[in-house]
Amino acid sequence: KNQVEQSPQSLIILEGKNCTLQCNYTVSPFSNLRWYKQDTGRGPVSLTIMTFSENTKSNGRYTATLDADTKQSSLHITASQLSDSASYICVVSRQDTNAGKSTFGDGTTLTVKP
Amino acid sequence: SAVISQKPSRDICQRGTSLTIQCQVDSQVTMMFWYRQQPGQSLTLIATANQGSEATYESGFVIDKFPISRPNLTFSTLTVSNMSPEDSSIYLCSVERADRGNTEAFFGQGTRLTVV
Repeated sequence: KNQVEQSPQSLIILEGKNCTLQCNYTVSPFSNLRWYKQDTGRGPVSLTIMTFSENTKSNGRYTATLDADTKQSSLHITASQLSDSASYICVVSRQDTNAGKSTFGDGTTLTVKP
Repeated sequence: SAVISQKPSRDICQRGTSLTIQCQVDSQVTMMFWYRQQPGQSLTLIATANQGSEATYESGFVIDKFPISRPNLTFSTLTVSNMSPEDSSIYLCSVERADRGNTEAFFGQGTRLTVV
């Protein structure tokens, strides 16, 4: 069964600190992995997209890594800001499907406190 | 990227009534997707809407409950029919775009529905 599991389920950190969110998947055959940020009451917004051959990709203070052998990805947030408080969703697509039939993780809820 | 306008952003509805959610995209797209996100959970695909044909529904979702229209390549609607409190969720529309060989999904801002 194609699954995406994220950890931790929730996380509270102080402003300025770094944090790392994890995503493990069993989706096969793998096409790409995306991290989204979803603010409360808003739709998800794409942070990064990674294919099989990519190990790391950065988008400002967000850095995603991918290990296709172990089927693990991480999202590292550097120097957190209050505006980083949101749900972070890992999404994995199969080669034989379109983006709309991707497998979504349950998300990690990040709270950044002053 | 894609600009997706979704409305209403939120609504409170009486049980037994219906609500139609609209989704407008800034350019033509072949497929539009409708998702439901129940409280504390991730997104679940309801159906795929293609212009000029019937929508394709995922397991657990039926056309009578969630009728979809796709009159052109930039617009779609999802109706939540005969609502019950269990339908209280965030509903999102999405489109896909190919960028340098990768297909990526873009989402509307969502409709927060509360059924009382």
